[in-house]
Amino acid sequence: RKEVEQDPGPFNVPEGATVAFNCTYSNSASQSFFWYRQDCRKEPKLLMSVYSSGNEDGRFTAQLNRASQYISLLIRDSKLSDSATYLCVVNTRNTDKLIFGTGTRLQVFP
Amino acid sequence: DVKVTQSSRYLVKRTGEKVFLECVQDMDHENMFWYRQDPGLGLRLIYFSYDVKMKEKGDIPEGYSVSREKKERFSLILESASTNQTSMYLCASGQGYEQYFGPGTRLTVT
Repeated sequence: RKEVEQDPGPFNVPEGATVAFNCTYSNSASQSFFWYRQDCRKEPKLLMSVYSSGNEDGRFTAQLNRASQYISLLIRDSKLSDSATYLCVVNTRNTDKLIFGTGTRLQVFP
Repeated sequence: DVKVTQSSRYLVKRTGEKVFLECVQDMDHENMFWYRQDPGLGLRLIYFSYDVKMKEKGDIPEGYSVSREKKERFSLILESASTNQTSMYLCASGQGYEQYFGPGTRLTVT
């Protein structure tokens, strides 16, 4: 079983739609959680950290459910520029190593 | 602005050749990482380093070695390239949990 699992998609949504991605992780010792974004043929970049209380950054909301070991990312009012692959990332206690999911591809169409 | 550079964007090598991939960061980060990214498998950690002359194996170190003689530079070495090492190679540096990636080197081994 993979340590971090994501639905690969693609999710095809119209502009203005709300879309949500989920991610599950298998290691209960995982301590920190992130969403990275990777544009086509580009390197991954940190989108946002995920906190236990949930956090919001503009149109993006991230949630963590430790009991069920899943993380979610909600994008409201989708823009064409949101088209990318979204990588779910976890970190285990006492290490700076990150474990990456394989990513969920989002395509926003006009 | 944060900057991680990699020596080549595209590289074609023959089976059995020794290959050097160089990565340089200008952020004075302690931690540096080498990943490979393959379709359906996501980002997998090859080696990482927490300090000069220090290295740790990641999840898939076989067939690779690394060198970190200076804080800003982390090299990945393929001692004898094989066709199954054809991949996108991404270098990253970071302090704590956030990692900054270079643009990647697409290596093809024929």
